[in-house]
Amino acid sequence: AQKITQTQPGMFVQEKEAVTLDCTYDTSDPSYGLFWYKQPSSGEMIFLIYQGSYDQQNATEGRYSLNFQKARKSANLVISASQLGDSAMYFCAMRSPLQGAQKLVFGQGTRLTINP
Amino acid sequence: GAVVSQHPSRVICKSGTSVKIECRSLDFQATTMFWYRQFPKKSLMLMATSNEGSKATYEQGVEKDKFLINHASLTLSTLTVTSAHPEDSSFYICSAGGQTEAFFGQGTRLTVV
Repeated sequence: AQKITQTQPGMFVQEKEAVTLDCTYDTSDPSYGLFWYKQPSSGEMIFLIYQGSYDQQNATEGRYSLNFQKARKSANLVISASQLGDSAMYFCAMRSPLQGAQKLVFGQGTRLTINP
Repeated sequence: GAVVSQHPSRVICKSGTSVKIECRSLDFQATTMFWYRQFPKKSLMLMATSNEGSKATYEQGVEKDKFLINHASLTLSTLTVTSAHPEDSSFYICSAGGQTEAFFGQGTRLTVV
């Protein structure tokens, strides 16, 4: 079965510090994609970053980077120089052909709070 | 800008009535769209896969007669919550996208009173 696990229900970080949000996954499919989304209180899901299972390098998008450790089946999100506006729920998600089509399976989420 | 648009963003309806939620892909054609439900402080749970020109595929435990899905064109999928009850109150959100991205609509907060 495909499964995504986020073990940190909540994280509290000082503004301007870096923060790592954990995500582990389980799949028997050699081809899969990993996604991170930010969900502010408004409810919208904001796409942050994508990592393919065959990508040789860790994905980066501005202040976001993905620490992809394939052997450990982990895909942690790193946010550098955190800002107050980064406070939100963060979801890790996985897509694989075994799940069918392009649907995503989500982790439980981590609520990130940035303190001034 | 947003590539998936969902409407309405918020709706309050009376128990027993039906509510239709629209999901549109704005600048691409989507043969497949997905409908998720999210309870407060919980993660997104896939309800069904909407397939253009054919029947939707529902996840286990989701009542297809309760949550009617229609995907009549390549840019529009609709979710109708029929005979809504207070337990149907939730946040519903749709998504569509390509291989390395999945874009979401703004979501619909449904309250059944």
